[in-house]
Amino acid sequence: NAGVTQTPKFRVLKTGQSMTLLCAQDMNHEYMYWYRQDPGMGLRLIHYSVGEGTTAKGEVPDGYNVSRLKKQNFLLGLESAAPSQTSVYFCASSYSTGGAFSYEQYFGPGTRLTVT
Amino acid sequence: DAKTTQPPSMDCAEGRAANLPCNHSTISGNEYVYWYRQIHSQGPQYIIHGLKNNETNEMASLIITEDRKSSTLILPHATLRDTAVYYCIVRLGIPGGSEKLVFGKGTKLTVNP
Repeated sequence: NAGVTQTPKFRVLKTGQSMTLLCAQDMNHEYMYWYRQDPGMGLRLIHYSVGEGTTAKGEVPDGYNVSRLKKQNFLLGLESAAPSQTSVYFCASSYSTGGAFSYEQYFGPGTRLTVT
Repeated sequence: DAKTTQPPSMDCAEGRAANLPCNHSTISGNEYVYWYRQIHSQGPQYIIHGLKNNETNEMASLIITEDRKSSTLILPHATLRDTAVYYCIVRLGIPGGSEKLVFGKGTKLTVNP
């Protein structure tokens, strides 16, 4: 199992450019999440998904969009990048017992994004 | 979800036990205590979780006080590779409960040779 993978690992964007970050998991997990981490701070949840075709807002959703067209993939889009979106982005996934409860989250290696 | 309070940093000698405290005085009866750690530049890693009983796995032990207002993560024989930021998180564990992990700033544990 590759676990949770993220593409790309590094990216530099100019203000106003757009891009999509890809997260893929091969553990057949129902739930997937996108977090951002800024220097000296903990992780903050951007958006999450509890199943294919469903997404929900997290703590800091503004400026981001997401899609979960396939169970194994969760995409994070930046339509018009801003310097405030310079951060490290982590994707995570978790399984559930069939209800709404899930257990530990498995994290990817991160994507380091710089917006100039 | 209940908030947690952790010391910003701790030091530990290699080979000794590392005891990381966490206060969660507003925890409710159906909230679990989770511990994650983040080694420099990597994604967070799950360590252990518990509700009210003490728990142990291959990585660590979790001691939760009887009133559940605080807990301690114990790394029994710390190694240099345990140097990381450790996050204590509480969250609901019932169907329909929040799936969101709320990460604070954690405790930076430094294991010294």
